[in-house]
Amino acid sequence: GAVVSQHPSWVICKSGTSVKIECRSLDFQATTMFWYRQFPKQSLMLMATSNEGSKATYEQGVEKDKFLINHASLTLSTLTVTSAHPEDSSFYICSASGLAGEGPSTDTQYFGPGTRLTVL
Amino acid sequence: LAKTTQPISMDSYEGQEVNITCSHNNIATNDYITWYQQFPSQGPRFIIQGYKTKVTNEVASLFIPADRKSSTLSLPRVSLSDTAVYYCLVGPRTGTASKLTFGTGTRLQVTL
Repeated sequence: GAVVSQHPSWVICKSGTSVKIECRSLDFQATTMFWYRQFPKQSLMLMATSNEGSKATYEQGVEKDKFLINHASLTLSTLTVTSAHPEDSSFYICSASGLAGEGPSTDTQYFGPGTRLTVL
Repeated sequence: LAKTTQPISMDSYEGQEVNITCSHNNIATNDYITWYQQFPSQGPRFIIQGYKTKVTNEVASLFIPADRKSSTLSLPRVSLSDTAVYYCLVGPRTGTASKLTFGTGTRLQVTL
């Protein structure tokens, strides 16, 4: 149990195009999902907190108009990188935790496998 | 969120016990200590979480002294497959609304 998937696992796109990354909790419901970005040899950096049915909360320095987050259901959050540029190339990871009182422990965040974005 | 300090890297031979210590001098009363493991090009994987004293699961043990200003992740008899980056995080229990702040992590290299 407690599986989080991401799609696609990797994507290559041209500069100026938009890319959508999906994060799904496969066997539990998640009211909150988090989006991280990780550059090579660096740690994970939190980009935003995604809450089902409401607007995402972005960390300081993260452009909300560039990184669009939608959390339309309790099992799906999407991150859209708009007008991507080479500097947006990175490893994007989502995480989720379960609803209180059901499914896997709510004390643990479960991470997806990540999505490697390369912008040419 | 409390800041954590870990060694940047560690080396070990296969079969040895590895202890990774994390300092968190500013830990708050309601903070828990959580360790994650990350392999290259994969998302972090939860290893263990604790509040005080000792916690043990099938993968590792977590030792937390009484003052809780540090903690030690103990990996018994490591194998080559334990080569990864290990992150120590301190904050409210990693539940639904809790943000996680990742530090630099410790890069463990296991060799024969």
